[in-house]
Amino acid sequence: DTGVSQDPRHKITKRGQNVTFRCDPISEHNRLYWYRQTLGQGPEFLTYFQNEAQLEKSRLLSDRFSAERPKGSFSTLEIQRTEQGDSAMYLCASSEGYNSPLHFGNGTRLTVT
Amino acid sequence: KQEVTQIPAALSVPEGENLVLNCSFTDSAIYNLQWFRQDPGKGLTSLLLIQSSQREQTSGRLNASLDKSSGRSTLYIAASQPGDSATYLCAAYNTNAGKSTFGDGTTLTVKP
Repeated sequence: DTGVSQDPRHKITKRGQNVTFRCDPISEHNRLYWYRQTLGQGPEFLTYFQNEAQLEKSRLLSDRFSAERPKGSFSTLEIQRTEQGDSAMYLCASSEGYNSPLHFGNGTRLTVT
Repeated sequence: KQEVTQIPAALSVPEGENLVLNCSFTDSAIYNLQWFRQDPGKGLTSLLLIQSSQREQTSGRLNASLDKSSGRSTLYIAASQPGDSATYLCAAYNTNAGKSTFGDGTTLTVKP
């Protein structure tokens, strides 16, 4: 058990470009969450999966954002046509079930120039 | 909609002092409340999780309490050390939602 893994750790992109982040949860964890965090703030919920099913999406997740978890294992978060306001830390977490502890990865820091 | 508040936003104490961090939430219909530690530029490390049926949890020098009726949780740190310097966040997991709601954290500085 190596914990939750996120890739890349840092991403710098120009406004208008598309970016994709990957998250590998702890094996056997069927719940996977994406959060976004800006400086000085707590994490804000974006979306979560139960196995491969995406069960909820935040209103923060505009049409430019899409997330997948195709086989119920790893997940990807894609942002299309990035904007400067997308600059943030994107955090992934996994858990065994609905009432189990969340385990976070180290995040992907996105900077949009 | 759940709202989680952590006061103070920042706290500075001398080494060796005992301290309490506060977390309040507006919706008491929670499954659990979890405390995390976050170092600069890093992800969140889980410290303690208290189920809604529990009153407190302990791990080493840390003790977390939960009072659902008043919508409050506290994290007690005994004999603080410089290595405890970090941001501490709490998160409430609601029964009517599949996710946790976070506070903005308390940034703790322990001075040698």
